[in-house]
Amino acid sequence: AQKVTQAQTEISVVEKEDVTLDCVYETRDTTYYLFWYKQPPSGELVFLIRRNSFDEQNEISGRYSWNFQKSTSSFNFTITASQVVDSAVYFCALSENRDDKIIFGKGTRLHILP
Amino acid sequence: EADIYQTPRYLVIGTGKKITLECSQTMGHDKMYWYQQDPGMELHLIHYSYGVNSTEKGDLSSESTVSRIRTEHFPLTLESARPSHTSQYLCASSEFRTTVTGELFFGEGSRLTVL
Repeated sequence: AQKVTQAQTEISVVEKEDVTLDCVYETRDTTYYLFWYKQPPSGELVFLIRRNSFDEQNEISGRYSWNFQKSTSSFNFTITASQVVDSAVYFCALSENRDDKIIFGKGTRLHILP
Repeated sequence: EADIYQTPRYLVIGTGKKITLECSQTMGHDKMYWYQQDPGMELHLIHYSYGVNSTEKGDLSSESTVSRIRTEHFPLTLESARPSHTSQYLCASSEFRTTVTGELFFGEGSRLTVL
């Protein structure tokens, strides 16, 4: 069965520090998709990135970067030079090719302190 | 910006009442979902739909029901609300196969409190 584990329930860092959010997944499929979503205090989840299982290239988007490692079943998310606006709950998610359901991890609440 | 709307945003009701949470999207998406988010943040899929007249139960058993009579509308109903139903309910939609587009569009959620 598919499973997503975000071991860090809550993280606090001071503004401008770098922070990495961990995500470990389990799946029996060889084809699957990984996602990160951000949930700001307003409540609406916002899509950040998708990766398919055949694309292990790391990705960078501004201050955000993602490290996908199939060998360790991890898809970690790093924010560089964090800002107060990055404070939110971040969810890692997984979808197997056999269906279209996206299963979410329990989320990591990130506090960026001024 | 996502064009998916949920009403009401907040609802406080007494035990035994019937409630309907509305969800509408103007993007013409075939697939729609309801997630329940508990106070510990975890998101659980409770219902989803592939299109008109299609409804499926998600991974978390729920006493709620859904209907999909129109593409743009996916309401969730509780016939008799109980305090255990207190939660945040999030509606989402995606264009055809989520695994192709990679993106769920979420509404802002409906926070339900049952006294």
